[in-house]
Amino acid sequence: QKEVEQDPGPLSVPEGAIVSLNCTYSNSAFQYFMWYRQYSRKGPELLMYTYSSGNKEDGRFTAQVDKSSKYISLFIRDSQPSDSATYLCAMEDFGNEKLTFGTGTRLTIIP
Amino acid sequence: DVKVTQSSRYLVKRTGEKVFLECVQDMDHENMFWYRQDPGLGLRLIYFSYDVKMKEKGDIPEGYSVSREKKERFSLILESASTNQTSMYLCASSSSEPGQGAPNEKLFFGSGTQLSVL
Repeated sequence: QKEVEQDPGPLSVPEGAIVSLNCTYSNSAFQYFMWYRQYSRKGPELLMYTYSSGNKEDGRFTAQVDKSSKYISLFIRDSQPSDSATYLCAMEDFGNEKLTFGTGTRLTIIP
Repeated sequence: DVKVTQSSRYLVKRTGEKVFLECVQDMDHENMFWYRQDPGLGLRLIYFSYDVKMKEKGDIPEGYSVSREKKERFSLILESASTNQTSMYLCASSSSEPGQGAPNEKLFFGSGTQLSVL
């Protein structure tokens, strides 16, 4: 079993819809949770960064962490075609100072 | 804006060749990383460096080496390329300044080098 599981998709939704992207994990030592966005033929860029359980909002993006269920989510409101990309979750076990990435979910927003 | 520049976008090499992948960052970051990205496997850490002339093995260092002679430059070396090293290689950097989090957090990535070994 992988430490971090992420549905690879692809996921296609119409413009304006709410998108939900998710990752599950097995390592209870993970404390820091990140979402990276990767456009085609580009490197990943950090989108959201959260610590421990709870929600964090940044514009149309909300990151949610539920440590009791070992489940994290990224919600995109009012989705735009420019949101079409691969979204990677990443987690850090602070003691190891090592990032573990999910495999990524490919998202397409249909105009 | 942080810029991480990888020397080649696409590279085709033959089995057994020595391959150099170069990465330069312009934000005076202390930490630099090399990852490879493969479908279904995600990003896997090959090597990282927290300082000049310092290097640490990541999760999959076999068949690779690195060099960091200057703070801004981190090179990945494939001593004898093999077909199973065909992959997308991504370089990243991060800051160790106070308030910037742990070294592995808030990575800035280059655009990647797609390496094909024939």
